[in-house]
Amino acid sequence: DTGVSQNPRHKITKRGQNVTFRCDPISEHNRLYWYRQTLGQGPEFLTYFQNEAQLEKSRLLSDRFSAERPKGSFSTLEIQRTEQGDSAMYLCASSRTSGRSVETQYFGPGTRLLVL
Amino acid sequence: RKEVEQDPGPFNVPEGATVAFNCTYSNSASQSFFWYRQDCRKEPKLLMSVYSSGNEDGRFTAQLNRASQYISLLIRDSKLSDSATYLCVALNAGNNRKLIWGLGTSLAVNP
Repeated sequence: DTGVSQNPRHKITKRGQNVTFRCDPISEHNRLYWYRQTLGQGPEFLTYFQNEAQLEKSRLLSDRFSAERPKGSFSTLEIQRTEQGDSAMYLCASSRTSGRSVETQYFGPGTRLLVL
Repeated sequence: RKEVEQDPGPFNVPEGATVAFNCTYSNSASQSFFWYRQDCRKEPKLLMSVYSSGNEDGRFTAQLNRASQYISLLIRDSKLSDSATYLCVALNAGNNRKLIWGLGTSLAVNP
């Protein structure tokens, strides 16, 4: 399967614990995005990378959140000291830039986080 | 006001019906638009891009009206399998190319 993959698919944790999610984008896609989606809402942008550079972080991303893409391939999203409000689906998407043309973002299956 | 607004529905229609969804956007600089489909507890999947001239893909037709800043999706001869949430999306005009999402419109096609 050459699509975007995310691990784990589900995570249940206790409040205050740290969690880390992984996203493997489609090969040769240089852009990688993280979104968060809560029930009844559309996805909300969190951050994105072009290759290994993190170029933008949303105000939604508090200091407890950190994302990396060390080699410009897979990415990790870590949440420290989780809170119940962090419970959501965390979606990863990747795309390949091609000048000014529109590029499609392809989504992974998401990681569903439940903080108890 | 959200940048992309949709009627959340739900829309309940019988099989074979034609249903139309509208979406408005506030950033006139947005250049590109999409409709994504999301099934319950699944990731969004691209349904179709929306071009200035409008485009059709089988039973689905998307239209863009830049003057009024709205996008529409028309589904003809609806099937049970069309039941899902349909998300209207604008591509940010800046370099980051982030997607700005509506809340989604829920569709239930009934037998």
